[in-house]
Amino acid sequence: QKEVEQDPGPLSVPEGAIVSLNCTYSNSAFQYFMWYRQYSRKGPELLMYTYSSGNKEDGRFTAQVDKSSKYISLFIRDSQPSDSATYLCAMRGSGGYQKVTFGTGTKLQVIP
Amino acid sequence: GAVVSQHPSWVICKSGTSVKIECRSLDFQATTMFWYRQFPKQSLMLMATSNEGSKATYEQGVEKDKFLINHASLTLSTLTVTSAHPEDSSFYICSAAEDNYGYTFGSGTRLTVV
Repeated sequence: QKEVEQDPGPLSVPEGAIVSLNCTYSNSAFQYFMWYRQYSRKGPELLMYTYSSGNKEDGRFTAQVDKSSKYISLFIRDSQPSDSATYLCAMRGSGGYQKVTFGTGTKLQVIP
Repeated sequence: GAVVSQHPSWVICKSGTSVKIECRSLDFQATTMFWYRQFPKQSLMLMATSNEGSKATYEQGVEKDKFLINHASLTLSTLTVTSAHPEDSSFYICSAAEDNYGYTFGSGTRLTVV
């Protein structure tokens, strides 16, 4: 079993839809949870960064972490064609510069 | 925000030659940098953790003699792929931490070995 599981998609939605992206994990030591957006042939761009359980909102993006269920989500409201990319969840433990473990990424396509 | 510059963005080399990839933190000092490899339609695979002034820590299965990492300063880490072969063709990405929380990625280097 992988430490982090993420549905690879692809996920195709119409413009304006609410998008829900999810990851599950097995390592209870993970404390920091991140979502990255990666366009083709580019490095990942940090979208959201959350510590422990709870919600965090930034513009059209909302990140949720449920540590009891080992489940994290990213919601995108009013999705735009420019949101079309691969979204990677990532997480790490606490203390020092710990390595980050990534999900496989979900490819999202927002259709105009 | 923090910026990580990676160079070159793409490189083609002949089999048997070596290629050096640079990763620079432009506006912050990075004690620790990470090197990843990504195959098409796959996630990032951590290769090694680069520590300024000390030897890199390699992940299991990564050949340290083939992928040489040097972190000589707080703003520069380099990855050298030695005696490259076609199977080394991949997308290599570095990451640096500005503090204990934020990890910023470079734009990646696409290596093609012919």
